[in-house]
Amino acid sequence: GQQLNQSPQSMFIQEGEDVSMNCTSSSIFNTWLWYKQDPGEGPVLLIALYKAGELTSNGRLTAQFGITRKDSFLNISASIPSDVGIYFCAPGGSQGNLIFGKGTKLSVKP
Amino acid sequence: DAGITQSPRHKVTETGTPVTLRCHQTENHRYMYWYRQDPGHGLRLIHYSYGVKDTDKGEVSDGYSVSRSKTEDFLLTLESATSSQTSVYFCAISEYLQMNTEAFFGQGTRLTVV
Repeated sequence: GQQLNQSPQSMFIQEGEDVSMNCTSSSIFNTWLWYKQDPGEGPVLLIALYKAGELTSNGRLTAQFGITRKDSFLNISASIPSDVGIYFCAPGGSQGNLIFGKGTKLSVKP
Repeated sequence: DAGITQSPRHKVTETGTPVTLRCHQTENHRYMYWYRQDPGHGLRLIHYSYGVKDTDKGEVSDGYSVSRSKTEDFLLTLESATSSQTSVYFCAISEYLQMNTEAFFGQGTRLTVV
């Protein structure tokens, strides 16, 4: 089966820092989506990518669809406390079977 | 917010008992999904549906069955609950239009099997 790797698994952020995370796959996908989950809630869509090489921004968030169609990156600039949560990548298959990475948990540095 | 309601929101049940979780949508979306979320595993797909009475297995379908008799309802059944099925369960919906696989999630059901 296809393998989907999301990294890092967790990271601590200090307000103002930039954050980067990525997902890589053994398979080619036509879509990459990034979701955020706040504690006690379901995931919510942040950014959707539909074309290889595409770079899309949503406020302080920037995501890129890798040219090989096997990876995607999410960057958060100038992080703020409300950025904490779990971020998931979700490459979209052609059959409507939506799978998710294991998530990157952002926490505030103690 | 997308109209997705999961019920119950919390449930404690005993090992060996049957349990049914319900997902109800008011968006008329074609696709519905059931996921479970466990620490270290992210969201894992249990089953999904691509239309009324049309369902397919996900990566962790053993011990679970689903039914979709109406567009708006997708039921997840644990025929005989086990402790390993203690988890948070999320329902999601999407309107699959060519490349668009954006999914909207419910608020989750926390199931504890004792």
